[in-house]
Amino acid sequence: AQSVTQPDIHITVSEGASLELRCNYSYGATPYLFWYVQSPGQGLQLLLKYFSGDTLVQGIKGFEAEFKRSQSSFNLRKPSVHWSDAAEYFCAVVNFNKFYFGSGTKLNVKP
Amino acid sequence: DTGVSQDPRHKITKRGQNVTFRCDPISEHNRLYWYRQTLGQGPEFLTYFQNEAQLEKSRLLSDRFSAERPKGSFSTLEIQRTEQGDSAMYLCASSLVSGDTQYFGPGTRLTVL
Repeated sequence: AQSVTQPDIHITVSEGASLELRCNYSYGATPYLFWYVQSPGQGLQLLLKYFSGDTLVQGIKGFEAEFKRSQSSFNLRKPSVHWSDAAEYFCAVVNFNKFYFGSGTKLNVKP
Repeated sequence: DTGVSQDPRHKITKRGQNVTFRCDPISEHNRLYWYRQTLGQGPEFLTYFQNEAQLEKSRLLSDRFSAERPKGSFSTLEIQRTEQGDSAMYLCASSLVSGDTQYFGPGTRLTVL
């Protein structure tokens, strides 16, 4: 069965510090991978996606993610976090038309 | 492109009542999806449509739940005889083709008292 694991439930970083959110997936083939962000009371907004090709993908708001097949990971990174990045982040994998989401990582940004 | 819209944004109901939610996808998108999200969890797949055809339903979708997309445009999700366990955020998403990026609406938050 497909699964997506986000091992960190909460992360707190200082504004200006770098960020890495972890995502591991369990899936047989090369998956389609996504990162979404959800602000309180809002729907999910796509940050970036990986289908094939270059394993380092760039997204909106200065985010990037790297697909590592050997580690079954798709970690999200940002070199310098802004206070407005405080939100919940979801990793997702697509299998047969369905998205499977991780349980999310809630990011808190300290001033 | 106005994005995916959902109505209502919030619904409070008493246990045993029926509720209906509406989703309007991005106009050219053929695929429409419903998800349920509870506190502290990621969205869980409920069902999806290709145009007006409902192609798959999750086992999470009990007999009290029904979804329609009568003309291949907007969709409705009805919950009959609501239970407190139905309290959640119900999210709708649409995509152009299978496996493509899904664009999400703001959700309908259901509270069953």
